[in-house]
Amino acid sequence: GAGVSQSPSNKVTEKGKDVELRCDPISGHTALYWYRQSLGQGLEFLIYFQGNSAPDKSGLPSDRFSAERTGGSVSTLTIQRTQQEDSAVYLCASSLTTHPRSAVNYGYTFGSGTRLTVV
Amino acid sequence: AQRVTQPEKLLSVFKGAPVELKCNYSYSGSPELFWYVQYSRQRLQLLLRHISRESIKGFTADLNKGETSFHLKKPFAQEEDSAMYYCALLYSGAGSYQLTFGKGTKLSVIP
Repeated sequence: GAGVSQSPSNKVTEKGKDVELRCDPISGHTALYWYRQSLGQGLEFLIYFQGNSAPDKSGLPSDRFSAERTGGSVSTLTIQRTQQEDSAVYLCASSLTTHPRSAVNYGYTFGSGTRLTVV
Repeated sequence: AQRVTQPEKLLSVFKGAPVELKCNYSYSGSPELFWYVQYSRQRLQLLLRHISRESIKGFTADLNKGETSFHLKKPFAQEEDSAMYYCALLYSGAGSYQLTFGKGTKLSVIP
């Protein structure tokens, strides 16, 4: 597609329920990133995928969080047993490759995010 | 470990006044730094990169390795500059490269 697409744009869920957030990166972008944006905390790195390599999960805050990327394209971020502190905007970004020159030359392209509210 | 610090959560300036958004970093390697901007109800987008030494929308940023800073500056603020600004550092870790962001500064330009 023309840009990074995320769905849903808004999600309200009850505490304890599971949620799935979807990201469709720019076609041809091999690198995909998930960030969490919350008030006062800026952008917190969660996970990233580079082509067919194992993802870097070092930013996931707990084992309730997981993500997968099927066919090197669409990614799904799953949060199990949601808690109120999970409320945030979840941003997805993609870049042409994970080579630093790509990130330096082109930056990341971000989606518009999914606003998750846990009540 | 790498770190990006933006000391001001909120910065208010009058239209036409100079603007400086502060960013300091901590990184043992050679830094690659960026500024990203998020306007109201829009997605986060790249504003400028230190390697290009460019001026975008009147903004410039100079990398000062001695002070480990990458402050964003504009001589005359405009109302349309009101937005959230994030400083970011590209770093290498565990064989990969990714961006670390500061917590952001909300710029409010008063008409």
